[in-house]
Amino acid sequence: DGGITQSPKYLFRKEGQNVTLSCEQNLNHDAMYWYRQDPGQGLRLIYYSQIVNDFQKGDIAEGYSVSREKKESFPLTVTSAQKNPTAFYLCASSRAQETQYFGPGTRLLVL
Amino acid sequence: QKEVEQNSGPLSVPEGAIASLNCTYSDRVSQSFFWYRQYSGKSPELIMSIYSNGDKEDGRFTAQLNKASQYVSLLIRDSQPSDSATYLCAVPGDSNYQLIWGAGTKLIIKP
Repeated sequence: DGGITQSPKYLFRKEGQNVTLSCEQNLNHDAMYWYRQDPGQGLRLIYYSQIVNDFQKGDIAEGYSVSREKKESFPLTVTSAQKNPTAFYLCASSRAQETQYFGPGTRLLVL
Repeated sequence: QKEVEQNSGPLSVPEGAIASLNCTYSDRVSQSFFWYRQYSGKSPELIMSIYSNGDKEDGRFTAQLNKASQYVSLLIRDSQPSDSATYLCAVPGDSNYQLIWGAGTKLIIKP
């Protein structure tokens, strides 16, 4: 089955800790995205990547980092510099100017 | 910076009635528009995309686009309790790969 997978479903972070969220797609899409969603809010773009080994900051990139070493994978690291990381994190992929498809999401909570 | 605006709601509609959701956007040159549905705790899923003025119908859903007035609407006929969700509107950003998202309208269908 083609689709986007994210893991883990829930992630707990201790203060000062870096954590990495996984996103994998087998849709052969060039572009991948990371969004953050806070309760009752819309989607805010963290980072996006149009091709392998290239990525751009979105509206709220501070405290986050990404890599795009393979077309299928776009992991997001939430660093200790992100002081308010509790949110629902969504990964998406698309072809240019076409529909974005979403993974099931990762809910990050701070201990 | 393009902007997309939606009434946050909640919009309460009786079961069997027509639900009407609206979205306005700031950029006159936008060519494509997307409606996504997001159930509580889940990721967004595409309902409809529309690219030209007029109506596009898919089952109980109709998207209406008016480029001159810069709004796009989504009508849901014969509303069902399972339609209760948040509906997100999106338009392309300055990059070929980006979407600009509205904050979403929460729809509640009352049995």
